[in-house]
Amino acid sequence: AQSVTQLGSHVSVSEGALVLLRCNYSSSVPPYLFWYVQYPNQGLQLLLKYTSAATLVKGINGFEAEFKKSETSFHLTKPSAHMSDAAEYFCAVSEGNTGNQFYFGTGTSLTVIP
Amino acid sequence: DTAVSQTPKYLVTQMGNDKSIKCEQNLGHDTMYWYKQDSKKFLKIMFSYNNKELIINETVPNRFSPKSPDKAHLNLHINSLELGDSAVYFCASSKNGENIQYFGAGTRLSVL
Repeated sequence: AQSVTQLGSHVSVSEGALVLLRCNYSSSVPPYLFWYVQYPNQGLQLLLKYTSAATLVKGINGFEAEFKKSETSFHLTKPSAHMSDAAEYFCAVSEGNTGNQFYFGTGTSLTVIP
Repeated sequence: DTAVSQTPKYLVTQMGNDKSIKCEQNLGHDTMYWYKQDSKKFLKIMFSYNNKELIINETVPNRFSPKSPDKAHLNLHINSLELGDSAVYFCASSKNGENIQYFGAGTRLSVL
């Protein structure tokens, strides 16, 4: 069985500060891991994905995430927050098979304070 | 061109009505999905079709019936709408072997 836990449903950071959004997963097989972003009134957009290659994954808009198997974590970071980063962020895990199910976390709402 | 498009974007209706939401993808993907996002932003898979065949069917009331006329379309029909059906419904698609899901912009359903 697979699941995702996102710690902190709301995170606030100052503009220019480090962004850290936490994600822990459980999976009985080597996982595929994803971060999606949802801007207000829009669909989900893929930020980055981990598929068993490099453990440090770089995504769009300056975001990156590091897969740590020992900690079963896939935290999302960005060195310097921008106002445009304010959105809902979802971590997801899947088994990696064709057409398989994604399990999403409950989301973290990021607020950027000017 | 929109990759995954859903219509309508907003849907307001009365309890007991029957409504449909349409989804089309022009990415040539093989698998399509329907998700429900509740008021707390929680996303839950409802159905998944691969090449027009149902492969995921989570515990969803049988008032919800997906229909896939071809692999580019996955429509969602809802009978006898209830207040608890109010949510945002997202369609998504993926390509076999790629394991990335691409999402539509969502349909916000409000049942009064």
